[in-house]
Amino acid sequence: DAGITQSPRHKVTETGTPVTLRCHQTENHRYMYWYRQDPGHGLRLIHYSYGVKDTDKGEVSDGYSVSRSKTEDFLLTLESATSSQTSVYFCAIQVTQGGNTGELFFGEGSRLTVL
Amino acid sequence: KQEVTQIPAALSVPEGENLVLNCSFTDSAIYNLQWFRQDPGKGLTSLLLIQSSQREQTSGRLNASLDKSSGRSTLYIAASQPGDSATYLCLPFGNEKLTFGTGTRLTIIP
Repeated sequence: DAGITQSPRHKVTETGTPVTLRCHQTENHRYMYWYRQDPGHGLRLIHYSYGVKDTDKGEVSDGYSVSRSKTEDFLLTLESATSSQTSVYFCAIQVTQGGNTGELFFGEGSRLTVL
Repeated sequence: KQEVTQIPAALSVPEGENLVLNCSFTDSAIYNLQWFRQDPGKGLTSLLLIQSSQREQTSGRLNASLDKSSGRSTLYIAASQPGDSATYLCLPFGNEKLTFGTGTRLTIIP
């Protein structure tokens, strides 16, 4: 599991409220990713980070923001949650091997329900 | 933009059979390709990573091959078991915006 922890694991919230999901790694890997997974759409990249304060958008970034103020934590924020953001969110880290980016490891997921 | 296709979308085979799962990608400028499995309601488990300098990688009953020039990878599962039932996903590493295939849902019939 490469020491990845996601929190919360389950959350139910109401439309219009802000939500923050946290991804924590116990190692110092540079690359971290947030994906969402929905039936019929598979895994889609929301945002990723390639270092502290270095982030970029994925294919489904609208309505989401991220922050990475320290290496070990990558936060995903839904500024004003909508029902379309009901999903399972996965965080991943990419392990660096010999200076080259390598294998991807995933957290256990955070199930978010927006009512 | 990388597009990743996995065919078939679903596959059911009797226990004990050997089988092949396919992954095709449009951008052949990749440096690694990784195969995962996902059990229902669970996260993704890494199975194999093939580096661009390799043509294949083996782990137990699993063998994955990579042909960058044709944009294809295959995952071969030998002597399938009911515990192999899961969704299998491939991920070509071409740039930082990593794009998954939609997966193959595999069912092994006891």
